[in-house]
Amino acid sequence: ETGVTQTPRHLVMGMTNKKSLKCEQHLGHNAMYWYKQSAKKPLELMFVYNFKEQTENNSVPSRFSPECPNSSHLFLHLHTLQPEDSALYLCASSQSSGQGNGNTIYFGEGSWLTVV
Amino acid sequence: GENVEQHPSTLSVQEGDSAVIKCTYSDSASNYFPWYKQELGKGPQLIIDIRSNVGEKKDQRIAVTLNKTAKHFSLHITETQPEDSAVYFCAAGGSGYSTLTFGKGTMLLVSP
Repeated sequence: ETGVTQTPRHLVMGMTNKKSLKCEQHLGHNAMYWYKQSAKKPLELMFVYNFKEQTENNSVPSRFSPECPNSSHLFLHLHTLQPEDSALYLCASSQSSGQGNGNTIYFGEGSWLTVV
Repeated sequence: GENVEQHPSTLSVQEGDSAVIKCTYSDSASNYFPWYKQELGKGPQLIIDIRSNVGEKKDQRIAVTLNKTAKHFSLHITETQPEDSAVYFCAAGGSGYSTLTFGKGTMLLVSP
């Protein structure tokens, strides 16, 4: 148990569907992240939220829409995805995402997404 | 931005042997270097980390060394066991960027 819980663990969706991934952290952290992990590629940072405010968007297509209602919860809303979006989506949290301060990042178990 | 290179991409060892994974980074301002282990079907888990004010850190069979001058750091696993088989990621952070930059990962296979 890492303190970061992701649901669902597995999701299969059609290209015209709308679905959401959910993440909850029980660590009292203030920063939350979405990463994408594809086969044979490095971890790709998608979004960063610090104290509920989005501080980073790494040129992610608009078919991925994050939402952070509070410091403990993070969502990734998915719509009109493409097959190449199939991957493991990892949520993570850290104390904060302040610059110049190396913070340990704690990951959830991930949500396996398959787009058909 | 920061760039982290990790080698090798795969590493096969016999049980009981030592394993070494190496990473280099580009931003001399980075000051935090964690290592993560990712088992099949799970998210990455932090196993050890080091900050730039020390050169080496040990935790039982795992150790990490840091050479700030050369901008490289390494993970050392001694007396490897089959349960050490996993993908290991290095990362660098703490410079001018808000989060960590990860290496591409090393798949470690420990044969009984």
